[in-house]
Amino acid sequence: QQQVKQSPQSLIVQKGGISIINCAYENTAFDYFPWYQQFPGKGPALLIAIRPDVSEKKEGRFTISFNKSAKQFSLHIMDSQPGDSATYFCAASVNFNKFYFGSGTKLNVKP
Amino acid sequence: SQTIHQWPATLVQPVGSPLSLECTVEGTSNPNLYWYRQAAGRGLQLLFYSVGIGQISSEVPQNLSASRPQDRQFILSSKKLLLSDSGFYLCAWRGSGEQYFGPGTRLTVT
Repeated sequence: QQQVKQSPQSLIVQKGGISIINCAYENTAFDYFPWYQQFPGKGPALLIAIRPDVSEKKEGRFTISFNKSAKQFSLHIMDSQPGDSATYFCAASVNFNKFYFGSGTKLNVKP
Repeated sequence: SQTIHQWPATLVQPVGSPLSLECTVEGTSNPNLYWYRQAAGRGLQLLFYSVGIGQISSEVPQNLSASRPQDRQFILSSKKLLLSDSGFYLCAWRGSGEQYFGPGTRLTVT
């Protein structure tokens, strides 16, 4: 059973547009929700993360929105750029121990 | 600063051959260490994690094994590789909070 469900599987956005990737979870014990960015042939890199005591966190063009009651969280990439083209993974963990990853979203930002 | 190393970067092995992948972390002590596998175009599957020397938890029963002979060294092994073992193997470490990944090893079993 997949602990974290991620959608969409792939996403095409025009340069300057907003990219939105969604994740949902069931385990209410999760207390840490990171997003990772992965370029082909590279390991995933931590992008931004949130704890469930806040509803939104923003770092530059990247924003996490968190809805605790709905058990959903999403990544918004504002003013998307071709350099943002990568695969994005959401994840969740309990007390920073085991991390459960979504299946990934391949983002293609067209110039 | 902390650095994580994995080697080799790429590996091509025949079916039935043994495997040894190594991961080392610098700049931290007593980290949690993880092995993940990523099939082509797929997500990350947690294989093993370790909270200390000699302490290994297995997430997926298979023909792989892991060992942690030193605090900052994590090894992934197999006695006989299967075709299905092909993939991108990622080591990760966690200190006080976030998890960080190494550069990965691309394994192709032929």
